[in-house]
Amino acid sequence: GQQLNQSPQSMFIQEGEDVSMNCTSSSIFNTWLWYKQDPGEGPVLLIALYKAGELTSNGRLTAQFGITRKDSFLNISASIPSDVGIYFCAGQLGVGGGADGLTFGKGTHLIIQP
Amino acid sequence: DSGVTQTPKHLITATGQRVTLRCSPRSGDLSVYWYQQSLDQGLQFLIQYYNGEERAKGNILERFSAQQFPDLHSELNLSSLELGDSALYFCASSVSSHGTGELFFGEGSRLTVL
Repeated sequence: GQQLNQSPQSMFIQEGEDVSMNCTSSSIFNTWLWYKQDPGEGPVLLIALYKAGELTSNGRLTAQFGITRKDSFLNISASIPSDVGIYFCAGQLGVGGGADGLTFGKGTHLIIQP
Repeated sequence: DSGVTQTPKHLITATGQRVTLRCSPRSGDLSVYWYQQSLDQGLQFLIQYYNGEERAKGNILERFSAQQFPDLHSELNLSSLELGDSALYFCASSVSSHGTGELFFGEGSRLTVL
């Protein structure tokens, strides 16, 4: 099956710093999504991207759908303590027609040092 | 609160046993997805149901089965349990079968097999 390589595996940053993480695949995806998981909770959707080259923002979060359709990037600006958690990228083959589940990356653990 | 309800939250059982995990999707959502999350494998798609019918199958073992009932709740049955089945099991729901990837996850059921 498809595999997503997400990096970095973990990040230790200071509050106020900007964060960048990315996800690459050997396969083409038609949809890229970014989810965040807090401890003891299920993943929550942050941003969804449906078009190659698309750049979408959600508050301090910005994500891009790579032009090759094989990668995606997530940036968080001016990090705050509540940004701590695990960030997952996810790819889906189908757009409006695919019934397959999402393929998830293994996550980036974001830790903010005081 | 995503609106997706999973029970039980925690379950401890022995090898060889059988357990049933339950999921109630968000009101109005017809699709239910099951995912397994373990430390080394990340989030793995198991199976999807739409309006009572199986729509897609992922890495689901033959010892596992699922179904979606007329009231749209779903159950995941895990039998002949092995130590390696210990994981978090998430249910997610979405409105349609050919989803956009925008899933709403429950809080998960943590299964420990001793």
